[in-house]
Amino acid sequence: AQKITQTQPGMFVQEKEAVTLDCTYDTSDQSYGLFWYKQPSSGEMIFLIYQGSYDEQNATEGRYSLNFQKARKSANLVISASQLGDSAMYFCAMREGLGGTSYGKLTFGQGTILTVHP
Amino acid sequence: EPEVTQTPSHQVTQMGQEVILRCVPISNHLYFYWYRQILGQKVEFLVSFYNNEISEKSEIFDDQFSVERPDGSNFTLKIRSTKLEDSAMYFCASSERRGQETQYFGPGTRLLVL
Repeated sequence: AQKITQTQPGMFVQEKEAVTLDCTYDTSDQSYGLFWYKQPSSGEMIFLIYQGSYDEQNATEGRYSLNFQKARKSANLVISASQLGDSAMYFCAMREGLGGTSYGKLTFGQGTILTVHP
Repeated sequence: EPEVTQTPSHQVTQMGQEVILRCVPISNHLYFYWYRQILGQKVEFLVSFYNNEISEKSEIFDDQFSVERPDGSNFTLKIRSTKLEDSAMYFCASSERRGQETQYFGPGTRLLVL
């Protein structure tokens, strides 16, 4: 079974609109972390936002927020006020075993290509 | 702002040749990682390294691969005898602590095996 599932291969959004990129995960760990990374066409991996499994509040970083629904095992990324520069591939990732069994390995989803139209 | 650096940015090699990919993690970080991304596919974990030894590795990381921290700053990935299917982008990453939420990635080395 996939540990991280991103069901949207591609998404389109109009500039200045908000967009939600979906991510569901599968783990039996109680302590884990969820990440979103942005990969522009130049190829680098840019860290966007992190959510810990025990965090009470949804994480926010500027225009990025993470809609964390633990019971549903989903960690959707919301980008508000989309900009042309947001066009990129977006990866959801998980780190399990935060309680001590893991050395920090990230497991990634397949990614979603976001295209922002002017 | 401190960053992870990787060299070279691109490497082309012949099948069967050895390649060494180099990374300089952020200076106060203690946990180091290699990931790879075959073109158009997801990023896959290869290996993690802590306290001068491998702490975890994936099934991809077979005997053809090795990692080393030859001095206090560099972290290298060696592929002993490259295969066509090793063509990928290779990312180095580092984090300060095991439980730290942010794992910083380098810009990647794009490896092409002919």
